[in-house]
Amino acid sequence: KAGVTQTPRYLIKTRGQQVTLSCSPISGHRSVSWYQQTPGQGLQFLFEYFSETQRNKGNFPGRFSGRQFSNSRSEMNVSTLELGDSALYLCASTTGGFGTYEQYFGPGTRLTVT
Amino acid sequence: AQSVTQLDSQVPVFEEAPVELRCNYSSSVSVYLFWYVQYPNQGLQLLLKYLSGSTLVKGINGFEAEFNKSQTSFHLRKPSVHISDTAEYFCAVSETNRDDKIIFGKGTRLHILP
Repeated sequence: KAGVTQTPRYLIKTRGQQVTLSCSPISGHRSVSWYQQTPGQGLQFLFEYFSETQRNKGNFPGRFSGRQFSNSRSEMNVSTLELGDSALYLCASTTGGFGTYEQYFGPGTRLTVT
Repeated sequence: AQSVTQLDSQVPVFEEAPVELRCNYSSSVSVYLFWYVQYPNQGLQLLLKYLSGSTLVKGINGFEAEFNKSQTSFHLRKPSVHISDTAEYFCAVSETNRDDKIIFGKGTRLHILP
């Protein structure tokens, strides 16, 4: 079974631009979570989507948004990029129902904002 | 609300020596506990998990962890480390009544010295 895939793997953007990251979960998984990882803050939870609905949300500004499609693929969008948005963005998938404890992570998208 | 504290941001240890990575959690309800590993330039991978039953949990790559409810700890151990264990290790917790939400610690970087 193919793992979680994320595209692109690396991205360089300029401050003020916007960016869209993509995540394809493991086949059959209906929940996708997004995390921001930085050296200073560690892993921070952005949001989780389940069956095309946002089910959980972290403490990030409204510039960070996401969506999930009917095939469970998810996209994350960051508008008006700031230098502090430079990070590794990870997505993780699970089957999504209660009792699905293990998250399967993709390799991440490394975003650099200049 | 639950939280996770990883007491050491970095742990240096000589090859073939034992290692313990410490994790403490805080929660008002019963929890599930996890250890994930992140190798350089990769996403996170589950090492082991505690859901219920025996408090000593064995995982992949020779790692084990012990759940101590009275001390609210879930320390990770390996009797003899190898250079290939160089990675960042994350402790995580979810509440049994909300296992759709998982909180990660800030991570411990394990440095293996030759």
